Amino acid sequence: QVQLQQSGLGLVNPSQTLSLTCAISGDSVSSNGAIWNWIRQSPSRGLEWLGRTYYRSKWYDDCAVSMKSRVTVTPDTTKNQFSLQLKSVTPEDTAVYYCARGGSGAAAGLFDHWGQGTLVTVSS
Amino acid sequence: EFVLTQSPGTLSLSPGERATLSCRASQSVRSNEIAWYQQRPGQAPRLLTYGAFSRATGIPDRFSGSGSGTDFTLTISRLEPEDFAVYYCQQYDDSPPWTFGQGTKVEIK
Repeated sequence: QVQLQQSGLGLVNPSQTLSLTCAISGDSVSSNGAIWNWIRQSPSRGLEWLGRTYYRSKWYDDCAVSMKSRVTVTPDTTKNQFSLQLKSVTPEDTAVYYCARGGSGAAAGLFDHWGQGTLVTVSS
Repeated sequence: EFVLTQSPGTLSLSPGERATLSCRASQSVRSNEIAWYQQRPGQAPRLLTYGAFSRATGIPDRFSGSGSGTDFTLTISRLEPEDFAVYYCQQYDDSPPWTFGQGTKVEIK
């Protein structure tokens, strides 16, 4: 059974970097059949896909254009987890952040397992 | 980028009643790649249906998806107490960014 366990700080100062980690059990971050995503949710923006990482003979990652390259998603094969870094945060980045597993091929954007969510507040 | 518009914003129904939720896409969704998620308070979204018609593992058969092109529907045939929640549609057509609707809240009347 796939489980995703999130960790990271819930309070970040403006202009600093938000960092969260998602530990995977029941699957592998290096799986050729999965894609590892970060999604956030706020009252003003709803559910918003941020970025992903995945392995298909080599590592790939990309992020939403709207995030203007502030997002980095990185795998850690030694710990079977992946991480999110969001640079130069502002109060508008306050949200609940989720990690989620996507499938392969046509199911790449289909999120069948989710982490528990982390409320991150950007404030000084 | 796809825009998904859900209606109504809130649906007030009683247990045992039928719920019909709508999702309209700003452009035609190839291969009906629309998913529906349920979110209960304080929980992450849970995948219910995908490919417009298929149910995810462990989802009761009272949940069914339908539709094609730009208009999609989630139907809950008989509402159980645990079904009162917020429901989101999502398109996973083609490449990212994948987008979600703004949600429909199903509340107890």
